[in-house]
Amino acid sequence: EPEVTQTPSHQVTQMGQEVILRCVPISNHLYFYWYRQILGQKVEFLVSFYNNEISEKSEIFDDQFSVERPDGSNFTLKIRSTKLEDSAMYFCASSALQGPETQYFGPGTRLLVL
Amino acid sequence: GDSVTQMEGPVTLSEEAFLTINCTYTATGYPSLFWYVQYPGEGLQLLLKATKADDKGSNKGFEATYRKETTSFHLEKGSVQVSDSAVYFCALGDSGGYQKVTFGTGTKLQVIP
Repeated sequence: EPEVTQTPSHQVTQMGQEVILRCVPISNHLYFYWYRQILGQKVEFLVSFYNNEISEKSEIFDDQFSVERPDGSNFTLKIRSTKLEDSAMYFCASSALQGPETQYFGPGTRLLVL
Repeated sequence: GDSVTQMEGPVTLSEEAFLTINCTYTATGYPSLFWYVQYPGEGLQLLLKATKADDKGSNKGFEATYRKETTSFHLEKGSVQVSDSAVYFCALGDSGGYQKVTFGTGTKLQVIP
């Protein structure tokens, strides 16, 4: 069964450093999403992406965040200058159709900012 | 804005016990409701869904009924197994825009033999 994959599974970085989290969505999917979960808190929507542009973003998704689909298979989330509060589990999701029930999630990347 | 509140865990049950995980929501309009499950080391999987009031979603022996009057979507299973040990997330689907999912905090279930 096709699945969404994410790399790395864990990332440790120093505050102020840039990180890139990578996702490979399911190959025929058109809609892509990033969510995050700070430890012990809710899974929060960050951004959705369709047709090579951001379609919706949350208040969390400020100027330090960016997303890209660089090569038609990967979908990346870049955090330009990490802060301690960026430590979280980041989930990528993709869907073939518009709508939450069709979203397939990856296993997540656990980011720790020191 | 939309929000989901679910009971805190962890929940520890013996095999074959009855499971209830409570979930309530706040939303404008008529959202779709979901339960997702995350097994250790894996991604979030859609367990079941309900798209309108009084709908019952079911899958793998789990059930949840969309109760508009009590804004609830409690997850139940009559007889849990060790393999059901996972984290369960209640969620709702935004009825507008690109339909992002709003999640609860998750409830960890541990089933012991």
